[in-house]
Amino acid sequence: DTGVSQDPRHKITKRGQNVTFRCDPISEHNRLYWYRQTLGQGPEFLTYFQNEAQLEKSRLLSDRFSAERPKGSFSTLEIQRTEQGDSAMYLCASSHWGTGDRGYTFGSGTRLTVV
Amino acid sequence: AQKITQTQPGMFVQEKEAVTLDCTYDTSDQSYGLFWYKQPSSGEMIFLIYQGSYDEQNATEGRYSLNFQKARKSANLVISASQLGDSAMYFCAMRAAIQGAQKLVFGQGTRLTINP
Repeated sequence: DTGVSQDPRHKITKRGQNVTFRCDPISEHNRLYWYRQTLGQGPEFLTYFQNEAQLEKSRLLSDRFSAERPKGSFSTLEIQRTEQGDSAMYLCASSHWGTGDRGYTFGSGTRLTVV
Repeated sequence: AQKITQTQPGMFVQEKEAVTLDCTYDTSDQSYGLFWYKQPSSGEMIFLIYQGSYDEQNATEGRYSLNFQKARKSANLVISASQLGDSAMYFCAMRAAIQGAQKLVFGQGTRLTINP
């Protein structure tokens, strides 16, 4: 068990470019969450997967954002036509339905800077 | 809708002193859960302590304890004998139900600085 891994740790991109982030959850965890954290704020929920099914999406997730978890293992979060307002830390978390309320494990995040 | 309020943007404490970080919450749910997480500069959210709404005893985890006052809707974190390594952002969070699982709703956080 190596924890939740996120790649890359840092990404600087020009406005208008597309970016993709990857999250590898703990292997036996069937639930995966994406959160966004802007400077000075707490994380905000973006979306949630149970296995490969995306079951919930926040209104924060505009049409430029898409998330996938094709085989119920790793997940990707893509942002198209990035804007400066997309600059934030993107956190991934995973859990297993049987692990109860201690079960959320977070990764170290991907920090996105749009210039 | 659930809401978490942390009113202390920053706290400064001398090493070895105890510190209380405030958290108030708002929910119409009868069953809910409250969490505290620590976020060091590395960015990872580290679970500290959990309190269920039906738990009669205040939760404790080593040097961390949660002062749960249900009628006042508060869930303050107490860190005893603070250490330099406790310097970090601290977030209070509440569990909120979504389809098939539950998401976390976070407060804005408190930056704790431990002085030697």
